[in-house]
Amino acid sequence: DTEVTQTPKHLVMGMTNKKSLKCEQHMGHRAMYWYKQKAKKPPELMFVYSYEKLSINESVPSRFSPECPNSSLLNLHLHALQPEDSALYLCASSHPGGRGPQGRGTDTQYFGPGTRLTVL
Amino acid sequence: AQSVAQPEDQVNVAEGNPLTVKCTYSVSGNPYLFWYVQYPNRGLQFLLKYITGDNLVKGSYGFEAEFNKSQTSFHLKKPSALVSDSALYFCAVRDNAMNYGGATNKLIFGTGTLLAVQP
Repeated sequence: DTEVTQTPKHLVMGMTNKKSLKCEQHMGHRAMYWYKQKAKKPPELMFVYSYEKLSINESVPSRFSPECPNSSLLNLHLHALQPEDSALYLCASSHPGGRGPQGRGTDTQYFGPGTRLTVL
Repeated sequence: AQSVAQPEDQVNVAEGNPLTVKCTYSVSGNPYLFWYVQYPNRGLQFLLKYITGDNLVKGSYGFEAEFNKSQTSFHLKKPSALVSDSALYFCAVRDNAMNYGGATNKLIFGTGTLLAVQP
């Protein structure tokens, strides 16, 4: 099973709201990722968690706050977003580099269906 | 700098004809290359990857890709296109330049190629 689930599918929020995006996987992966994707553009990496610790933050504004409560769950907390933050937010998971069955850095990232976020 | 290029924004092909979606790369060290497909309003689906071994890699849904080291290319191919193959295709390469201390699976994506298969 290579399934990554994300909730909600769609989210509309005002600039003063606080909301959270959720991601879950049960593939035993210990690396989880958040990406932001604008229409017809490639995904842009935001955060990477490896063994439940934040290992990459791609200079994301503090209005986005990631959280990895356990090895299967990844959250993205949203607060005071701007209209330009409207996008498809994708979660992915993989074995971390050097820990997968096929060796260092070779393991595939599996993506969830995404949450379509609209900020009004 | 490491990079991936997909020179065609869009590829048009008639159903039943062979298709090719082009990708070239520039990386330090060994290239680890991936193809993903994205249908409208969906996440990315993994198609295939090249790590080492045979230059011809077979993947999902009848797709294959040919790794060419001398031309630094990893073109995606399918012998007979289906209308249902119409989607956005991304080539990606693992970022070998940085050591992220255990999470070294950062991918560098190409800009994407929209494949349109006409019936």
